[in-house]
Order: sequence, then structure tokens, then C-alpha cells
Amino acid sequence: ETGVTQSPTHLIKTRGQQVTLRCSSQSGHNTVSWYQQALGQGPQFIFQYYREEENGRGNFPPRFSGLQFPNYSSELNVNALELDDSALYLCASSFEGGKYEQYFGPGTRLTVT
Amino acid sequence: QKEVEQNSGPLSVPEGAIASLNCTYSDRGSQSFFWYRQYSGKSPELIMSIYSNGDKEDGRFTAQLNKASQYVSLLIRDSQPSDSATYLCAVNQAGTALIFGKGTTLSVSS
Repeated sequence: ETGVTQSPTHLIKTRGQQVTLRCSSQSGHNTVSWYQQALGQGPQFIFQYYREEENGRGNFPPRFSGLQFPNYSSELNVNALELDDSALYLCASSFEGGKYEQYFGPGTRLTVT
Repeated sequence: QKEVEQNSGPLSVPEGAIASLNCTYSDRGSQSFFWYRQYSGKSPELIMSIYSNGDKEDGRFTAQLNKASQYVSLLIRDSQPSDSATYLCAVNQAGTALIFGKGTTLSVSS
């Protein structure tokens, strides 16, 4: 069974730029959720994709957007990067929405300078 | 604002002792509850899930849920130095998002 994978591992961007992060879900899972974790904080829910549709969104601005593909992999796009976007971005996969166990990938560390 | 509260710690216990981690949540409609372990610089790892009132045991871990008191706890028996990590309590909201506490840092000394 393949676990959740994310790419890239680390990324450094300049304020105002755009970034795309990628996630492959665990085998057998059809739901992907994205979270942002700042240092010393718990993860904060960004949004969830289920059957290629957005299935819930947290308190993040529209410059955070996403996609889910037919193979259940997903992308997180962030436009007009701000310094406060520096964080660990976590992807979690689950089965049939998010009410059951969600399993996290290794994360992407984004630094905005 | 639906919230999950945890003591940030650090919680320090000697090797072999029982570590007790606590969490309260504000959304009375919450249905599923999880404990994650996060080592420094790593991503959260799911260690326990609990859906109904009472206790659930898995090896050295026991999760306890009391929906009337809106309280979830995690007990770690025979604590080991390798258990030293941040423990995140998470509550599922509306079947989609996990709402996390800030985490409790556990330090097990040998």
C-alpha cells in the first residue's frame, strides 16, 4: 500500500509570486484535504476535495485554490504570496470525505522572502 | 468559532510512567475524534481514533471520550523516550475539516 506523497519537500519563493504544491493520495482513498501549519500551531484546514469537487473550505482567501484529478491526486495553488504564507503545507488523504481517519503526507515547507 | 483546547505543556514524565493528555472541544455536534503524534520537523501521524463514548485501547495507548463533558483524553502507559513529541487533538467538523488544538509537548526522561 502506497502512503501519501507530497512534492516538493521544500520551496523558497519571493513575495508576490505564485506556487503550486502537489499531493498523491494513499491507495484506496478518494478524498484529499489541505492544511497549513505555522510554527508552534496546530494545522489549519484550507479546503477538501472529494470526487474532484471542493467539499468544504476553511477561512482562507480566494488566492488559495485547488484541484483534484481523476486519479485523486491534488494540487494546492497560492497566488500573490505573502510573508505570512510561510508554513508547512500538509496534505491528508481519506476515504469518502473527511469524517473518518485522515492520513498526512510528509508536507511541503514553504518559505516566502 | 469552533475550538479545540489543549494544554501546551511541556508535560514531563519519567520513563515507565503514565502520560495523560487532555483536550476539550466546543462543538457539541462533533462526531469523530483523533489523536496525532508529531515529531519535530515531521508531519502528524495518526495514533488513535475514537467515535463513541468510553475507552478505546490500542497497545500502550488508550483514548477516552466523554461527549457530555466535551472532553477527549489520551493515556500513554509505560512511557518511553521515543514517545517524546507533540500530541495533537483533532475533532472532525461537519464530516470534512479536522479542527486541531495547538498540541501538547510531551517529554519522557530516561
